Amino acid sequence: NAGVTQTPKFRVLKTGQSMTLLCAQDMNHEYMYWYRQDPGMGLRLIHYSVGEGTTAKGEVPDGYNVSRLKKQNFLLGLESAAPSQTSVYFCASTSAAQSTDTQYFGPGTRLTVL
Amino acid sequence: GQNIDQPTEMTATEGAIVQINCTYQTSGFNGLFWYQQHAGEAPTFLSYNVLDGLEEKGRFSSFLSRSKGYSYLLLKELQMKDSASYLCAVMDSNYQLIWGAGTKLIIKP
Repeated sequence: NAGVTQTPKFRVLKTGQSMTLLCAQDMNHEYMYWYRQDPGMGLRLIHYSVGEGTTAKGEVPDGYNVSRLKKQNFLLGLESAAPSQTSVYFCASTSAAQSTDTQYFGPGTRLTVL
Repeated sequence: GQNIDQPTEMTATEGAIVQINCTYQTSGFNGLFWYQQHAGEAPTFLSYNVLDGLEEKGRFSSFLSRSKGYSYLLLKELQMKDSASYLCAVMDSNYQLIWGAGTKLIIKP
């Protein structure tokens, strides 16, 4: 099992460009999450999905869109990148939202917006 | 608002014991998690507490007091590989994880 994978690992964008980050998991997990991690701050939830075909907003959704067309994939889109979106993006998945089910994280995507 | 507080950085000596504290104020409580994150890598699960008391797992132990909104992670027999950031996260009433900023632990020989 590969667990949770993310592509790309690194990316540099210019302001206004668009891109899509791909997250894939092979654990048959229902729940998937996109977080961003910035220095001195905790992980912040961008969007999440509770199953195929569903998406919901997290704490910091502005400037991002997501889609979950297949259970194993969760895509994060930036339509018009801004320097404030420079961050490390982590995808995570879990079998269920409740308590003891831990979240498994992908290796991260390091995005720089110039 | 929801808030998780933990020290920014701690230093300890190889072979020693270190305690990393976490205090929280959240809307509801469905458990507290500790994750380890090495530099440039993804967070990995260490422990979970939902009831008061101590949970021991090898060299690592985690304690919870729900009435005080307080937890700590205890690391014994420190090894150089324990140099990492330790993230405290609380699952709130909506089953969302609220994350602290992390404690960077530096181990010196």
